[in-house]
Amino acid sequence: KNQVEQSPQSLIILEGKNCTLQCNYTVSPFSNLRWYKQDTGRGPVSLTIMTFSENTKSNGRYTATLDADTKQSSLHITASQLSDSASYICVVSATGYGGATNKLIFGTGTLLAVQP
Amino acid sequence: GAGVSQTPSNKVTEKGKYVELRCDPISGHTALYWYRQSLGQGPEFLIYFQGTGAADDSGLPNDRFFAVRPEGSVSTLKIQRTERGDSAVYLCASSWGAYNEQFFGPGTRLTVL
Repeated sequence: KNQVEQSPQSLIILEGKNCTLQCNYTVSPFSNLRWYKQDTGRGPVSLTIMTFSENTKSNGRYTATLDADTKQSSLHITASQLSDSASYICVVSATGYGGATNKLIFGTGTLLAVQP
Repeated sequence: GAGVSQTPSNKVTEKGKYVELRCDPISGHTALYWYRQSLGQGPEFLIYFQGTGAADDSGLPNDRFFAVRPEGSVSTLKIQRTERGDSAVYLCASSWGAYNEQFFGPGTRLTVL
């Protein structure tokens, strides 16, 4: 069964600190892995997209890593800001799943709270 | 448009009623997706349109759910005989093609009393 699991479920850190969020997946056939940020009451916004050949990708203070062998990914946030408080969702795309669909399989997210 | 828009932002209805949720994708995007997100969960795929046709509707939970995209742009998700378990945020996303980045709308929060 295609699944995406994330840890921790929630995390509280102080402003300015770093943190790392984890994602494990069992999705086949794998196409790409994305990290999304979802603010409360808003739709998800893409942070990074990585194919199986990419080990790391950065977007400002966000750095994602991917180990396609162990099927693990992480999202590292550097020098956190209050505006980083949100849910971070790991999403894996399965190519050709059910046809030509780029079907996204979502994790349940990590709820991050950055406190002053 | 500037982004994906969805209306209404909130919808409260009574059990057994019929509801329609609307999605306006980014202009020119050929692919459109509907997702459902329950509280504390990640979005769950419902249906995918490529142009006017539903290319994959395997995520629709039952025949009470139906979606259309008659002109290949705006889409409407229709739910008949609503049940309390249908309460969730319904997200719409669009992309240039099937394998491109999906841009999400803000969602419609549906509450069935």
